Amino acid sequence: GAVVSQHPSRVICKSGTSVKIECRSLDFQATTMFWYRQFPKQSLMLMATSNEGSKATYEQGVEKDKFLINHASLTLSTLTVTSAHPEDSSFYICSAREDRQLVHEQYFGPGTRLTVT
Amino acid sequence: AQSVTQLDSQVPVFEEAPVELRCNYSSSVSVYLFWYVQYPNQGLQLLLKYLSGSTLVKGINGFEAEFNKSQTSFHLRKPSVHISDTAEYFCAVSEGAGGYNKLIFGAGTRLAVHP
Repeated sequence: GAVVSQHPSRVICKSGTSVKIECRSLDFQATTMFWYRQFPKQSLMLMATSNEGSKATYEQGVEKDKFLINHASLTLSTLTVTSAHPEDSSFYICSAREDRQLVHEQYFGPGTRLTVT
Repeated sequence: AQSVTQLDSQVPVFEEAPVELRCNYSSSVSVYLFWYVQYPNQGLQLLLKYLSGSTLVKGINGFEAEFNKSQTSFHLRKPSVHISDTAEYFCAVSEGAGGYNKLIFGAGTRLAVHP
């Protein structure tokens, strides 16, 4: 089956620094990837839709200058949290959509736990 | 706008008992419906999905769900649960023809299976 990886799985950073999270589709090409954020004991909230070779589409209320998304290839999207604050601490999950004929499958990565101290 | 309501935040159940996790959605167009399971500190795993066709959908781990258009529901069921089914379950909806786009998730239901 299709596999999506995320790196790192856990990261701790200091306030004011930036951290990059990678999302890779390992055995398929993903024109579209999605970035979600999940607070403890809450649901997933879509942050942005990442399209290969074009600018990401951000959901309302998500600061595009703070959460930089780059989708430079069909197998890699990155989320950079800039000038991190403790309130950015969260579980970040990506998913990658496989476009195959008329059937679209979306596969989720294992998530990245970000802690900002 | 789309929305998903999971009516129960927590469902405690004894092992080998049946369980139903409820999900209602609102949408003005055709929808695609999904159930995902999340174990602690992990990503989401697809249990099952409804895209079209038969309204009774069978998924992995013995789960099934029934799409009811008139009641706008997509409840998840399992006839006999195991301890290992303890996890968070999310219902999700997506709109669009020819596939699906972004997913809108419900708040989740915590299934706790007790011995």
